[in-house]
Amino acid sequence: KAGVTQTPRYLIKTRGQQVTLSCSPISGHRSVSWYQQTPGQGLQFLFEYFSETQRNKGNFPGRFSGRQFSNSRSEMNVSTLELGDSALYLCASSLQPLPGAYGYTFGSGTRLTVV
Amino acid sequence: SQQGEEDPQALSIQEGENATMNCSYKTSINNLQWYRQNSGRGLVHLILIRSNEREKHSGRLRVTLDTSKKSSSLLITASRAADTASYFCATDAGNTDKLIFGTGTRLQVFP
Repeated sequence: KAGVTQTPRYLIKTRGQQVTLSCSPISGHRSVSWYQQTPGQGLQFLFEYFSETQRNKGNFPGRFSGRQFSNSRSEMNVSTLELGDSALYLCASSLQPLPGAYGYTFGSGTRLTVV
Repeated sequence: SQQGEEDPQALSIQEGENATMNCSYKTSINNLQWYRQNSGRGLVHLILIRSNEREKHSGRLRVTLDTSKKSSSLLITASRAADTASYFCATDAGNTDKLIFGTGTRLQVFP
C-alpha cells in the first residue's frame, strides 16, 4: 500500500511569506501528526489531528496552524515566515491516536528553507 | 521540550559488532517506541514496547524497558553498514497523548 505522501519535498520561501504543506496519510489511517526537525532543537511536536479535530498542539506560536480534511489528508500552514522556521517538516500517520499502541508511519518530509 | 534523552549521542562501531543505545525519559508512559532515521529522511518505526513489558525482540533488535528507572535500551546485534542512521526513542509523554521524541543517537557502522 502507498506510504505517507508529503508535498512538496523541497521549498524555498522568503521571510514574511506564508507556506502550506500537505500530507496524505496511509489509507485507513485517521490520525495525523506533524513534527518540525532542526539540528538545534531536534524533533519537536507541532500538532495532531484525528477525525478532522485537533487533539493536541505543541509549543509553537500561532503562526503555525493546521487542519485535517474528511479524507484524513492534512495541511499545515506557516504564516509570516521567519529564518528560524527553516527545517524539515515531517508528517506521520497512525491507525489510532495515542495512547493506542500503534507505531507511526512517517513521510519523507518537506525541507523548507526561508531566505 | 524533549521527553527522552538518548545516550550516547554518537556511536561508531565495526560491522559485526553489537550496538547499544540507551534512552531515559521523565514521566510515566503507556508505551515506548524506537525509530530509525537515515540522513535527512523520514523516520522508520522499529519496535514498540508496552509499559507492562520488560523485553521485546524483532530480528536483530532487542529492546528492554525498565519503568522503575524510566529507561530503555535498544540493542542491535551483528551490526551492518546499512544500520548507519540516527536512532530515536519516543514516548507518549505522561497523559498528554503526544508522541515525544528523544534527542537521538547517531550510529556509524564501518565496513
